[in-house]
Amino acid sequence: EAQVTQNPRYLITVTGKKLTVTCSQNMNHEYMSWYRQDPGLGLRQIYYSMNVEVTDKGDVPEGYKVSRKEKRNFPLILESPSPNQTSLYFCASSRTENTEAFFGQGTRLTVV
Amino acid sequence: AQSVTQPDIHITVSEGASLELRCNYSYGATPYLFWYVQSPGQGLQLLLKYFSGDTLVQGIKGFEAEFKRSQSSFNLRKPSVHWSDAAEYFCAGGYNKLIFGAGTRLAVHP
Repeated sequence: EAQVTQNPRYLITVTGKKLTVTCSQNMNHEYMSWYRQDPGLGLRQIYYSMNVEVTDKGDVPEGYKVSRKEKRNFPLILESPSPNQTSLYFCASSRTENTEAFFGQGTRLTVV
Repeated sequence: AQSVTQPDIHITVSEGASLELRCNYSYGATPYLFWYVQSPGQGLQLLLKYFSGDTLVQGIKGFEAEFKRSQSSFNLRKPSVHWSDAAEYFCAGGYNKLIFGAGTRLAVHP
C-alpha cells in the first residue's frame, strides 16, 4: 500500500530539547516536503527536497532542519524547540513538485 | 505574489443540500490546482486535481470542481452532501510548489 509514515503521531516536549520527527515514503517519490498547519493559516511549507541530498527552504524554515540521505526518508529536526513551534506537522511526498502530494497522518507537537 | 484564497472559513449545510466551496488563485498563468479534504485527526486526502483540458473535473466521493480562468476560481461542488462530508477542505495550487489556502471547515446538519 502506498503510504507516507510519520512518527511519532503525538509529542510533548520541553523548550530546548532536540527532537526529530521521522517521515518515510514507499512510492519512490523524488519530491518530499514538510508543512506545518496552524488554525486560520492553512498549511505552510517548512522545507522541501527535490531528491537525495537536495533540500531547500520553504516559507517558514526558521528553527527547523532537514536531511535527505535516502530517497525514502526525510526527517524533520528541531534543534532547540520553542513554544511557537507547537503545531500540527505533515510530511508529504510526490513524484514532482507540482503533482499530487501524498500526506502522512500528521504529528501533533506541543512544546512547553 | 502567488496565493490561494478560500474566502469562507466555516460553512454549514443541511444533509442532502448542495455544496459549493470557493477557491481563488492569484498566479501569472494557470497553475496546477488541487482540492484536499482533511477529516478530524487525519492527514490530507486528494479529492481532485486540474492540470489542463476539460475545465470540469470529477473527483472522489461525488465531488467535482470547475476551473474558470476568467474568474481565477476553482470552486468545489457536490450536489448532495452527506453527514460524513463534514471535514476541512483545502484548495491548493502552484507551479514549483504547492500553496495552500487557509481551509474551509464544513459542518453538516442532520
